[in-house]
Amino acid sequence: SQQGEEDPQALSIQEGENATMNCSYKTSINNLQWYRQNSGRGLVHLILIRSNEREKHSGRLRVTLDTSKKSSSLLITASRAADTASYFCATDAKSNYQLIWGAGTKLIIKP
Amino acid sequence: EAQVTQNPRYLITVTGKKLTVTCSQNMNHEYMSWYRQDPGLGLRQIYYSMNVEVTDKGDVPEGYKVSRKEKRNFPLILESPSPNQTSLYFCASSIGTGSSYEQYFGPGTRLTVT
Repeated sequence: SQQGEEDPQALSIQEGENATMNCSYKTSINNLQWYRQNSGRGLVHLILIRSNEREKHSGRLRVTLDTSKKSSSLLITASRAADTASYFCATDAKSNYQLIWGAGTKLIIKP
Repeated sequence: EAQVTQNPRYLITVTGKKLTVTCSQNMNHEYMSWYRQDPGLGLRQIYYSMNVEVTDKGDVPEGYKVSRKEKRNFPLILESPSPNQTSLYFCASSIGTGSSYEQYFGPGTRLTVT
């Protein structure tokens, strides 16, 4: 079963616009991570947010976490063509430590 | 350079012919795992290992075997591959278990079983 569910499944925007994707999960978590995957390649870690944090920034990335709604969002500001990729969230339940992944959001940045 | 390597990157094989996909990491990580990725299904964990000689099943272990004889290596073995094992496979490693630790992924192995 999937702990993280991303939405939307796909998102296409113009270069320079902001992109927002969401992740929902089912049980209480320890932390939540976001990863990027360029087509057919290995995933790359972007950011980790702890369950006691509400917001975190890294360059053009902003992640929020709402534990009451069991959801997180990833905002990419001023998008670039190089941001074209799939984005995944990963969480683990407080009761065990195995990461569970969502199906991902495919982001396309149009020049 | 810190990395996870996988070989081969691409493999086409026939049903029933045993194969091994190698995985090696140079970061002295305790935790290693194998995933398969299929369209629309995200990443599903096959097996994981928390240390040398310690392995355990993930969500989809049927048809796969692993071993962890050395800390750096974690090969994935398909004793008798079937077409439903056609997939993109990733090896990953991290310092520890769970969402507190960044996962480092290999480049992937695209396997086709005919």
